[in-house]
Amino acid sequence: DAMVIQNPRYQVTQFGKPVTLSCSQTLNHNVMYWYQQKSSQAPKLLFHYYDKDFNNEADTPDNFQSRRPNTSFCFLDIRSPGLGDAAMYLCATSPSGQGVKNIQYFGAGTRLSVL
Amino acid sequence: KQEVTQIPAALSVPEGENLVLNCSFTDSAIYNLQWFRQDPGKGLTSLLLIQSSQREQTSGRLNASLDKSSGRSTLYIAASQPGDSATYLCAVYNAGGTSYGKLTFGQGTILTVHP
Repeated sequence: DAMVIQNPRYQVTQFGKPVTLSCSQTLNHNVMYWYQQKSSQAPKLLFHYYDKDFNNEADTPDNFQSRRPNTSFCFLDIRSPGLGDAAMYLCATSPSGQGVKNIQYFGAGTRLSVL
Repeated sequence: KQEVTQIPAALSVPEGENLVLNCSFTDSAIYNLQWFRQDPGKGLTSLLLIQSSQREQTSGRLNASLDKSSGRSTLYIAASQPGDSATYLCAVYNAGGTSYGKLTFGQGTILTVHP
């Protein structure tokens, strides 16, 4: 059974039209991450939540926002998508606590197209 | 800041060959290293996880080794098959100043196995 679920799998939006991507988890992990992966590039961390604490990466554009209403769900909001925001968006979760058991579990991703 | 490099960027081999993918990282203070597979337009599939105290992990035709002191890992694929064609990503876990770690990806090796 899928443990990290991303919806939708494919999303098409128009230039400038706000879009929301969804991630849910059944693992009860307290850390949730959003990555952006452009074609032929490495996944790039946008931000993450540790419980309700939001942590933004320094170079994440203001156009990207996130919400975590509860432990299970996390949303990525793109306020005004540009053509350069077309990418695969990956959600991941992990337990807290450093060490060898701290592993990130990834969802299947949402591929965003901007027309 | 951790940097992860994968060599080669692309590899094309005939079916049946044994092959090696390389990964190097600049900060040896890691606690896990993970190899992923990514099919075109899809999310990440975890292949192997090596804990920092381990030297290697094996799963079927895959064998991953880790030399933490030199900052290197290799992924060995035996008897390659056309179904192995995909992008292979190496990622390392560091403390990153948090209680739950940060994951840094390499840019991947694009593998094509010809029938």
